[in-house]
Amino acid sequence: GNSVTQMEGPVTLSEEAFLTINCTYTATGYPSLFWYVQYPGEGLQLLLKATKADDKGSNKGFEATYRKETTSFHLEKGSVQVSDSAVYFCALRTGNQFYFGTGTSLTVIP
Amino acid sequence: NAGVTQTPKFRILKIGQSMTLQCTQDMNHNYMYWYRQDPGMGLKLIYYSVGAGITDKGEVPNGYNVSRSTTEDFPLRLELAAPSQTSVYFCASSFTDVTGPYGYTFGSGTRLTVV
Repeated sequence: GNSVTQMEGPVTLSEEAFLTINCTYTATGYPSLFWYVQYPGEGLQLLLKATKADDKGSNKGFEATYRKETTSFHLEKGSVQVSDSAVYFCALRTGNQFYFGTGTSLTVIP
Repeated sequence: NAGVTQTPKFRILKIGQSMTLQCTQDMNHNYMYWYRQDPGMGLKLIYYSVGAGITDKGEVPNGYNVSRSTTEDFPLRLELAAPSQTSVYFCASSFTDVTGPYGYTFGSGTRLTVV
């Protein structure tokens, strides 16, 4: 079946620290991979995506590379800011359906 | 553009009551979806629709009903509310082409508590 596993939180970092949130997936076929961000009281917003192996998605300083050999799509940012505090969801799309991970809460402290 | 609009934002129901969660999108998206988000469980797909008049079950459809009479609206109906339906509900919409859905947009959610 299709599923996404991401590291459990919560994660607390100091401002300007390096961020990694791990995400691995299981899928039939060739899925597209996504990272969504959810700020408090809001819906999910697309952060970045990659549609095929070795693609790198990037946005707002965040990056993730589609690694088919390790079935991973880890999210990274070199220097986090307080405004990055949110819940991050890894997701895969196969066909017309999305499958979401459980979310990782990130808090960045000044 | 308003995007995806959900109402109400919060609701408390008693066991056995019924209600409809409203969802409207103004982007002319053909696909629409309902998800529920439980703590530590991620999002689970309840129902989705590929166009007006067409709906399909997702992972967790039991206890819910949907209809899609227009492109814009995709209401979710709870007929006999149960405590297990306490959750945050998100509506979403997207375009789709031969590669699949794109332009996926979420509403801001409805927090439902069943007591």
